[in-house]
Amino acid sequence: DVKVTQSSRYLVKRTGEKVFLECVQDMDHENMFWYRQDPGLGLRLIYFSYDVKMKEKGDIPEGYSVSREKKERFSLILESASTNQTSMYLCASSLLSVAEETQYFGPGTRLLVL
Amino acid sequence: ELKVEQNPLFLSMQEGKNYTIYCNYSTTSDRLYWYRQDPGKSLESLFVLLSNGAVKQEGRLMASLDTKARLSTLHITAAVHDLSATYFCAVEFNFGNEKLTFGTGTRLTIIP
Repeated sequence: DVKVTQSSRYLVKRTGEKVFLECVQDMDHENMFWYRQDPGLGLRLIYFSYDVKMKEKGDIPEGYSVSREKKERFSLILESASTNQTSMYLCASSLLSVAEETQYFGPGTRLLVL
Repeated sequence: ELKVEQNPLFLSMQEGKNYTIYCNYSTTSDRLYWYRQDPGKSLESLFVLLSNGAVKQEGRLMASLDTKARLSTLHITAAVHDLSATYFCAVEFNFGNEKLTFGTGTRLTIIP
């Protein structure tokens, strides 16, 4: 079974803090994704990566950066957290361009910025 | 603009009844996904639909894809309580670029 893990289930941070969210997958997937989920808005893609050290902006990259130094690990960084970044953050991974292949999601990190 | 719209947003139905959730999308795509999310949990993949006319079934859930109408449906047959969840559809608008655009979700509540 594919397993995607995220470093924290819940985080509370203060405005202006630097925040790191970590995601690890154990199935040698090329693609990794970061989404945020907000009520009434569904999931919105922040960044994704299709290889080590590669990254592409999603639909809402502003205020975020990412790092992928190893294939299995994809980090989301909030350089200076703001209250409007309070959200549920979901990491996902998938194989590259394989028909029938879906994205596998981690359990999520619920971030509260005060 | 790449848009995925689901309706209804909320659905409350009695056990034993049938209902359909609709997913419309804005431009051509041949790849559509359905996911389920239980409260406080992450997303679980239900179906991957890859071509016009594709139909997949698992238990009481059946998903279909009409690429000409840009419409997918998730049909629930004889609903049971453990189908209560939020259901999302997602579309890959450009095959090979790996990006999914999600609908806003349909929160389904099954009432005994």
